[in-house]
Amino acid sequence: AQRVTQPEKLLSVFKGAPVELKCNYSYSGSPELFWYVQYSRQRLQLLLRHISRESIKGFTADLNKGETSFHLKKPFAQEEDSAMYYCALSVITQGGSEKLVFGKGTKLTVNP
Amino acid sequence: DSGVTQTPKHLITATGQRVTLRCSPRSGDLSVYWYQQSLDQGLQFLIQYYNGEERAKGNILERFSAQQFPDLHSELNLSSLELGDSALYFCASSPRGTSGGPPSYNEQFFGPGTRLTVL
Repeated sequence: AQRVTQPEKLLSVFKGAPVELKCNYSYSGSPELFWYVQYSRQRLQLLLRHISRESIKGFTADLNKGETSFHLKKPFAQEEDSAMYYCALSVITQGGSEKLVFGKGTKLTVNP
Repeated sequence: DSGVTQTPKHLITATGQRVTLRCSPRSGDLSVYWYQQSLDQGLQFLIQYYNGEERAKGNILERFSAQQFPDLHSELNLSSLELGDSALYFCASSPRGTSGGPPSYNEQFFGPGTRLTVL
């Protein structure tokens, strides 16, 4: 079965500290993973996808197939990074569509 | 602003009632997805439509149904509402949402959500 696990519901760090949001997945196919962010009272927006290997707002995430992980990292957290972060796995359905399976999210709070 | 719109923003209703949530995808996007976000279950995929046809089903209850119209907007109908249906309902759209294309075809853009409260 496809599953995305984000073990931390809440994560609190101080401004300037490194931050790592954990994500593990379970999928028999070739994984395509994403991180979405939801700032307070705003819609979900795509932060980054593993396939493009980009860095957005200082965040990076590396797909580790051996550990089935896709942890999100940032070396120096900023207060504006406070938000809800969701890890998502794209799976192919029987009908040939792609759907997203989301983890339950981690609420990151960056304290001044 | 992703370009996906949802109405209404908030909906308060009573148990046993029926409501309709509406979603307009980004211009040109053919796929629409519906998600339910609740405190205990997180974000759950409900259903996907592609160019008017149902393509994938997730954890959608039989009391819920959806459709996508020729102009590509979609409606999610929730009936015989229960207290547990109180949640934030998001829709998302993507250019295609089908396998085999480039990644950009399947990037999902989310609407602002409809907050449903069942009393």
